[in-house]
Amino acid sequence: EAQVTQNPRYLITVTGKKLTVTCSQNMNHEYMSWYRQDPGLGLRQIYYSMNVEVTDKGDVPEGYKVSRKEKRNFPLILESPSPNQTSLYFCASRWTGANYGYTFGSGTRLTVV
Amino acid sequence: AQSVTQLGSHVSVSEGALVLLRCNYSSSVPPYLFWYVQYPNQGLQLLLKYTSAATLVKGINGFEAEFKKSETSFHLTKPSAHMSDAAEYFCAVSGGGGNTGKLIFGQGTTLQVKP
Repeated sequence: EAQVTQNPRYLITVTGKKLTVTCSQNMNHEYMSWYRQDPGLGLRQIYYSMNVEVTDKGDVPEGYKVSRKEKRNFPLILESPSPNQTSLYFCASRWTGANYGYTFGSGTRLTVV
Repeated sequence: AQSVTQLGSHVSVSEGALVLLRCNYSSSVPPYLFWYVQYPNQGLQLLLKYTSAATLVKGINGFEAEFKKSETSFHLTKPSAHMSDAAEYFCAVSGGGGNTGKLIFGQGTTLQVKP
């Protein structure tokens, strides 16, 4: 089954404790992206990757890092999480080309206390 | 720059009634437009998309949307609401720019279906 898999689904952590949210897709998509979803704000792009070793900032990159060492994986790293990063996070992938729709993961609900 | 505005953060309809969720966009390039649905505790699922072919687009679950360039709108409709349609709906636009294919989302509209 074609899918984007995120782990974990739920995570509660403390301020400053480094964490990684994993994302993997099995569709051989070139383009991958991370979004955060907050009430009343919709989804905002954090980082994106056009292909292996090619990553760039989205609209809200502060406090986040990403890497793309393999085509299928695109982990999101929070080096020092803060409470304002409490949010619902989605990883998504698609083929190259703006006309293609994304396939989204099921989401990771992160709480930073 | 591109942007999306969804009119109404909450829409409530009775089962069997018409569903109309409004979306207006702004884009300096020919846009690609999408509607996604998010059921509770799930990711986003693509309902339908406009990619410059037919202006009336049919999607899954009986939904459709019409691209109106003159009104910069892409409203989502369904003739008869079902209880299972209760969810959050997002309109999104993409196209052009350095971040090719970046999706810009509206704020979302929560659809409530009353029995």
